[in-house]
Amino acid sequence: KNEVEQSPQNLTAQEGEFITINCSYSVGISALHWLQQHPGGGIVSLFMLSSGKKKHGRLIATINIQEKHSSLHITASHPRDSAVYICAVKRGTDKLIFGTGTRLQVFP
Amino acid sequence: DAEITQSPRHKITETGRQVTLACHQTWNHNNMFWYRQDLGHGLRLIHYSYGVQDTNKGEVSDGYSVSRSNTEDLPLTLESAASSQTSVYFCASSESSGGTPGDTQYFGPGTRLTVL
Repeated sequence: KNEVEQSPQNLTAQEGEFITINCSYSVGISALHWLQQHPGGGIVSLFMLSSGKKKHGRLIATINIQEKHSSLHITASHPRDSAVYICAVKRGTDKLIFGTGTRLQVFP
Repeated sequence: DAEITQSPRHKITETGRQVTLACHQTWNHNNMFWYRQDLGHGLRLIHYSYGVQDTNKGEVSDGYSVSRSNTEDLPLTLESAASSQTSVYFCASSESSGGTPGDTQYFGPGTRLTVL
């Protein structure tokens, strides 16, 4: 069993829909990251969380440390949000353990 | 602007050849990492470095080596390329000297390596 599990693996949506991507982990962590990988392959960091909730534009990330669970929400989704979203957890040092990603496609 | 670059972006080589992938960052970050990305797996850590002359093995280090002679560069060498090493390779860097949970990792654009 992977230490970091994401669901769903694939997700399609119509433009404007509210999107939720989930991440569960089985180890103690010091932080959790959400990353976005564009169709061209580039990876960018969206959020780093150690507690609570963060918001950036239409993106919201939450984490529940007790339940070992995080969610990434996208409000008013747009085709340009189409990407692979990756959850990664940090255990103490700077090393990250990655989930396998959620592929999101948003259609006009 | 500071950045992290990888070269080459695409490489085709033959089994048994030595291959070196370059990673260069101008963030002046202490930490640098090499990952490989394969279908069905998340990014997996190959090697990492917390500073000059420091190198450490990750979870999939067999068949790979790195050296850190300066802050900016962490080249990844495949000593004798194997077909199982066909993958997309990402380099990343972050600022802290270990132990700080909050630092973002900045990723390079990736190198697609094919071993025939």
